[in-house]
Amino acid sequence: EVQLVESGGGLVQPGGSLRLSCAASGITFNNYWLYWVRQAPGKGLVWVSRINGDGRSTKYADSVKGRFSISRDNAKNTVYLQMNSLRDEDTAVYYCARDRTGNTGGPGWWGRGTLVTVSS
Amino acid sequence: QSVLTQPPSASGTPGQRVTISCSGSTSNIGSYTVNWYQQVPGTAPRLLIYGDDQRPSGVPDRFSGSKSGTSASLAITGLQSEDEANYYCATWDGSLNGRDWVFAGGTKLTVL
Repeated sequence: EVQLVESGGGLVQPGGSLRLSCAASGITFNNYWLYWVRQAPGKGLVWVSRINGDGRSTKYADSVKGRFSISRDNAKNTVYLQMNSLRDEDTAVYYCARDRTGNTGGPGWWGRGTLVTVSS
Repeated sequence: QSVLTQPPSASGTPGQRVTISCSGSTSNIGSYTVNWYQQVPGTAPRLLIYGDDQRPSGVPDRFSGSKSGTSASLAITGLQSEDEANYYCATWDGSLNGRDWVFAGGTKLTVL
């Protein structure tokens, strides 16, 4: 069974940090681009970051550039999102997703998400 | 503010045909294929259509996608109550080596 399972969400104060993890099973992981997508309460989907198959190429939405960092451990079939200097507007459900084809298909398989709440 | 535009809402009665549009530009829809995602509230998004008009295994053939120029459409025929959900179009935007993945704002489909 294909599974992507996010973890690491929770309540954090503004200015704080969190590290999200997403573990994959039942699905080819290496050589596939991986994505983080978030959804603020009652809002739509927004792409946050992506990483290529060997982890050497990364990209970020302008709203998180310089604060968030994506990485992957192919030996553990896991992708991470390090989130620093968190703001109220970062409150959202964070989904990880694997590219449908490798690096051109866009998000195909999705995890169930993990909720991040930034509040004092 | 997304570079892709969808109507915020759509509706239909059971059995009807409904279409949802997605408008973009030459740097996104005009250059790359489009995916559509279905998201039932409280659940994760699900890939509904890829490559403009291809259905993943398990997606009923009541769902179809099309594209022309810088616009794409999702059509649902024989509307059912379980189709009530949010629908998002998405694609790449920008140059091939520097492209970003972008979602439209989504359309809330109500089955009356």
